[in-house]
Amino acid sequence: GAVVSQHPSWVICKSGTSVKIECRSLDFQATTMFWYRQFPKQSLMLMATSNEGSKATYEQGVEKDKFLINHASLTLSTLTVTSAHPEDSSFYICSARIGGALAKNIQYFGAGTRLSVL
Amino acid sequence: QKEVEQDPGPLSVPEGAIVSLNCTYSNSAFQYFMWYRQYSRKGPELLMYTYSSGNKEDGRFTAQVDKSSKYISLFIRDSQPSDSATYLCAMSSDNYGQNFVFGPGTRLSVLP
Repeated sequence: GAVVSQHPSWVICKSGTSVKIECRSLDFQATTMFWYRQFPKQSLMLMATSNEGSKATYEQGVEKDKFLINHASLTLSTLTVTSAHPEDSSFYICSARIGGALAKNIQYFGAGTRLSVL
Repeated sequence: QKEVEQDPGPLSVPEGAIVSLNCTYSNSAFQYFMWYRQYSRKGPELLMYTYSSGNKEDGRFTAQVDKSSKYISLFIRDSQPSDSATYLCAMSSDNYGQNFVFGPGTRLSVLP
């Protein structure tokens, strides 16, 4: 099956620093990747949709300058949380959709990254 | 009314029970339906994918879609403690990723 690797799985950082999270599709090309945020015992909240080679589309209320998304290749998207603050502490999950006109509209998820900002 | 509704639970059942998880939705344009399982502090894992109405079976799991009632279900037979997780339904109206919506998830506990 389609495998999505997300790294790191857990990161602790000081307030004011930036953190980069990587999302890789290991055995398929992902023209579209998604970034979600999840608070404890709550559902996934879509932050942005990332298409390879173009700017990400952010959901309403998500700060573009705070959550920088880069999708430079068909297998890699990165989310950088800039100048992180304690309120940014959360579980961040990426997903990827297989590209191509015949591909099914299925999202395959990474294992998630737990961010703790001190 | 939310676009996709799902009972958050928690739902507790004894080992071996048949579990029924459900989602209702309001957008009649949805055609593609999925069920994901999410263990604590892990990413969701795709369990079932169905298109339009009907049933689909995979091992102990059966997905059912009733588009006329805007209702989908996931049945788990012979439930095991390892099935304890949050189950999220998801649906989409097309094959291009537009309007892809998750339900809030149901927490399931299977007690040994």
